[in-house]
Amino acid sequence: EPEVTQTPSHQVTQMGQEVILRCVPISNHLYFYWYRQILGQKVEFLVSFYNNEISEKSEIFDDQFSVERPDGSNFTLKIRSTKLEDSAMYFCASGLIRETSYGYTFGSGTRLTVV
Amino acid sequence: TQLLEQSPQFLSIQEGENLTVYCNSSSVFSSLQWYRQEPGEGPVLLVTVVTGGEVKKLKRLTFQFGDARKDSSLHITAAQPGDTGLYLCAGDATGGFKTIFGAGTRLFVKA
Repeated sequence: EPEVTQTPSHQVTQMGQEVILRCVPISNHLYFYWYRQILGQKVEFLVSFYNNEISEKSEIFDDQFSVERPDGSNFTLKIRSTKLEDSAMYFCASGLIRETSYGYTFGSGTRLTVV
Repeated sequence: TQLLEQSPQFLSIQEGENLTVYCNSSSVFSSLQWYRQEPGEGPVLLVTVVTGGEVKKLKRLTFQFGDARKDSSLHITAAQPGDTGLYLCAGDATGGFKTIFGAGTRLFVKA
């Protein structure tokens, strides 16, 4: 069964450093998403991406965050200058169409720890 | 701001019992999804409901979408220890490009 692949599975970084989280969505999917989940809290929407541009972003997704689909297969989330409160699980998801009967497929996540 | 409220937050039952988990909102959603999440993993889609009043069954799990598309329920019949996990409802905001998640119901089924 097709899956969304995320790397790395764990990342530890120092406060103020830049991190890039990588995702390989399902190959024929057109809609891409990043979500985060702080330990013990709900899954929160960060950003959606379609047709090589951001479709929607949340208030969490400020100027420190950016997304890119550099080569037609990878989908990356960059945090320019990490803060302690950026520590969370970051999930990538992809979907075939926006309003879908199939929901979205999530990756297994990257656990980011900012120290 | 659209919110999804799930209840109960935590449920501990004996194997063989039935249970219902609720997902409510004051907003209309174009669809609602139910996911199950294991510790350290991403949510895994169980079902999507799209039409108001729709009922879908997945083995011992029955999902219902409210007529007004503002709420949904998940009913598990004869729960088994393998059903233990975090159940999340999520909704596609009408006209939007994002999915909003509820806080989840953590289910524990004792053998």
